[in-house]
Amino acid sequence: AQSVSQHNHHVILSEAASLELGCNYSYGGTVNLFWYVQYPGQHLQLLLKYFSGDPLVKGIKGFEAEFIKSKFSFNLRKPSVQWSDTAEYFCAVNRPTSGTYKYIFGTGTRLKVLA
Amino acid sequence: EPEVTQTPSHQVTQMGQEVILRCVPISNHLYFYWYRQILGQKVEFLVSFYNNEISEKSEIFDDQFSVERPDGSNFTLKIRSTKLEDSAMYFCASSEGQHYGYTFGSGTRLTVV
Repeated sequence: AQSVSQHNHHVILSEAASLELGCNYSYGGTVNLFWYVQYPGQHLQLLLKYFSGDPLVKGIKGFEAEFIKSKFSFNLRKPSVQWSDTAEYFCAVNRPTSGTYKYIFGTGTRLKVLA
Repeated sequence: EPEVTQTPSHQVTQMGQEVILRCVPISNHLYFYWYRQILGQKVEFLVSFYNNEISEKSEIFDDQFSVERPDGSNFTLKIRSTKLEDSAMYFCASSEGQHYGYTFGSGTRLTVV
């Protein structure tokens, strides 16, 4: 079935460690890609998005993601995490050329950063 | 920064009762959405709304669900006869256009007892 996969469900890191969260999707054709963050008790916030152009996308709070079309991946990275990055991270995809603008979300990755 | 506002933040209702979840999208946004997240599960699309009509809906969005934009500012989700399995966090979102990221509201936690 077509889907969005986030293989890391729980990640625990120490402060200053580097972060990479995986996101793979199984849709062909043109896709728009997003990473959202949900801090404890808060709403989903857009971290970054990719529509076209440079496959390395920089977002807020020092996050970046790289779109690798051949691997159907859009992994999220941050060189040095902080305690305040503790949150749940969701990858999402939409497929504009299929006539739909709904997002398909991954199952989320819960990140805990130890001070 | 403009926000999408959702009320109430938490609603408890008895099975079989009707509930209305309210959302105030960002004022210049044209596309509106409802998503839900059952505890511990992924965020799921319910419905999208544009130009005063539903543009797309999922299989979850059955006859028990309806949406409305009654006054040009509010965007509501109604569940006519709630079931236990409707218990979830419901998120409203809006966007300026189809090629923009959504702005999500803070959600309404619906608990059906």
